[in-house]
Amino acid sequence: SQQGEEDPQALSIQEGENATMNCSYKTSINNLQWYRQNSGRGLVHLILIRSNEREKHSGRLRVTLDTSKKSSSLLITASRAADTASYFCASQRQTGANNLFFGTGTRLTVIP
Amino acid sequence: DTEVTQTPKHLVMGMTNKKSLKCEQHMGHRAMYWYKQKAKKPPELMFVYSYEKLSINESVPSRFSPECPNSSLLNLHLHALQPEDSALYLCASSQVPGSNQPQHFGDGTRLSIL
Repeated sequence: SQQGEEDPQALSIQEGENATMNCSYKTSINNLQWYRQNSGRGLVHLILIRSNEREKHSGRLRVTLDTSKKSSSLLITASRAADTASYFCASQRQTGANNLFFGTGTRLTVIP
Repeated sequence: DTEVTQTPKHLVMGMTNKKSLKCEQHMGHRAMYWYKQKAKKPPELMFVYSYEKLSINESVPSRFSPECPNSSLLNLHLHALQPEDSALYLCASSQVPGSNQPQHFGDGTRLSIL
């Protein structure tokens, strides 16, 4: 399987705390993307980091990428109840089509 | 609201039925995708269309038949499905195949096979 791994599988925090999710992937990549999925909905793209980038910010989101370790992390700062969702990393390989290989996902619960 | 529209939202069908899932986008994207997602699992790629031509078929059983009538539409024809095919079917699109672009997802069709 080319599926990536994420940890933790589930994370429960209080509103206002930070949440960190980690992702590992298997092959050389073109980019690494993070998506959010609310229950019963489709995936929403959050942020894309290219293989030559090490860190990227978007609002309360901070993503890091370590290609030598084939790993990435997503930090959500000052979490809100509305951040409750599943978060997936997805890697796009260096060669071939634009298809993504998704990680196993982290289920985040933010308690008000 | 998402920019990728999928219909129907829910579908219940028997194993002998024939039905179709539909997906539409008007963002001018030239790559479109079908994914299957089981509960508490990540999406699994089924098919990729690039410039309206099938470019990837991830060894999907022939009871699933994709069709791309034009650059805005993507269909998934279903026939003689099995109970294990019950899942959320997601459609996605992206600007240009093979580029550093995110995918835009619809909200999916929840399919139940009786």
